[in-house]
Amino acid sequence: AQSVAQPEDQVNVAEGNPLTVKCTYSVSGNPYLFWYVQYPNRGLQFLLKYITGDNLVKGSYGFEAEFNKSQTSFHLKKPSALVSDSALYFCAVRVLRVSTGANNLFFGTGTRLTVIP
Amino acid sequence: GAGVSQTPSNKVTEKGKYVELRCDPISGHTALYWYRQSLGQGPEFLIYFQGTGAADDSGLPNDRFFAVRPEGSVSTLKIQRTERGDSAVYLCASSLRSRGANSPLHFGNGTRLTVT
Repeated sequence: AQSVAQPEDQVNVAEGNPLTVKCTYSVSGNPYLFWYVQYPNRGLQFLLKYITGDNLVKGSYGFEAEFNKSQTSFHLKKPSALVSDSALYFCAVRVLRVSTGANNLFFGTGTRLTVIP
Repeated sequence: GAGVSQTPSNKVTEKGKYVELRCDPISGHTALYWYRQSLGQGPEFLIYFQGTGAADDSGLPNDRFFAVRPEGSVSTLKIQRTERGDSAVYLCASSLRSRGANSPLHFGNGTRLTVT
């Protein structure tokens, strides 16, 4: 079974400091991993993805994520946090169901990031 | 704009009523998904369309839920005999094609359904 875990419900970081939002996954086969961000009363916005290749993936708004196969992790990072980064962040794993062709996303429960001015 | 559009943005209904939620995907996107997000949870898959057909409806919680996409573009999620437990944000997403894992899902802003 496929699953994604975000061990922290809440992460607080001071503006200008580096931030990390943690994600671990469990999949059979090759993982396709994604990060999405959700602002209040808005849908999810795609940040970045790991399909194959370099373990360090760069995405939107200065975010990056590091794929670590041995630790089955895909932590989201940013070198210097902005107050505007405060939002809800979701890690997701994409699973192809061969029988239906559906490329479903399985989401974690989310981590609320608060950047303190 | 060119994003996924969902209407209405908010819907309040009484227990037992019927509701329809609409999704207008990005033009040219053949794959369409519905998800449900309850408070404090991540989105959960409901149903997937490739073109006009519902290729995977394994996430629908029961037979009160149904979705259609008759012309392969706009989709409507229909909920009969609504219950208070159906209260959630219903998200629609579309992508260029389904089999390519490189195609990210583009989400709408969702419809917040409240059943009183």
